Amino acid sequence: NAGVTQTPKFRILKIGQSMTLQCTQDMNHNYMYWYRQDPGMGLKLIYYSVGAGITDKGEVPNGYNVSRSTTEDFPLRLELAAPSQTSVYFCASSSWTNTDTQYFGPGTRLTVL
Amino acid sequence: DAKTTQPPSMDCAEGRAANLPCNHSTISGNEYVYWYRQIHSQGPQYIIHGLKNNETNEMASLIITEDRKSSTLILPHATLRDTAVYYCIAIQTGANNLFFGTGTRLTVIP
Repeated sequence: NAGVTQTPKFRILKIGQSMTLQCTQDMNHNYMYWYRQDPGMGLKLIYYSVGAGITDKGEVPNGYNVSRSTTEDFPLRLELAAPSQTSVYFCASSSWTNTDTQYFGPGTRLTVL
Repeated sequence: DAKTTQPPSMDCAEGRAANLPCNHSTISGNEYVYWYRQIHSQGPQYIIHGLKNNETNEMASLIITEDRKSSTLILPHATLRDTAVYYCIAIQTGANNLFFGTGTRLTVIP
């Protein structure tokens, strides 16, 4: 199993541009999550999904959108990128039987200039 | 979820046991204690969790005090690859949001 994979690894955006961060998991997990981690800080939950077609906001959803059309994929969309969105983004997944044991991807490092 | 308090940093000699403390004095009866770690530039990695009994797996042991107000993660024989930030999280099962604070930065010294 590859686990949780994320693309791209790195990206630089200009202010106002948009992009989609991709996340795929091959563990057949129902639950998927997006977190962001600012330098020297802990992770903050952006959005999560409990299954295909179901998404919900986390702690810091503003400026982001998500969709969940399949069990495997959970893309995160940034519209009108702002410098405050410069961060490392982590995707994670978990099974419905143990949602607190989450498996994380390697992260996407995003810089908005 | 209960707030947790951890020392910001610790050192440990390679090959020795690393004992990482966590205070969670306001933990409620249905909150578990979870430990994750984050090696530099990687995503967090689950280590172990427990409710009230001590737990052991291939990575670590978790000792929870009888009153559940604190716990200790033990890495029995620390290696250089164990250098990471360790997060202690107290959470109700199914809450979805893992609150990662700033954790303890463990440095294993050769």
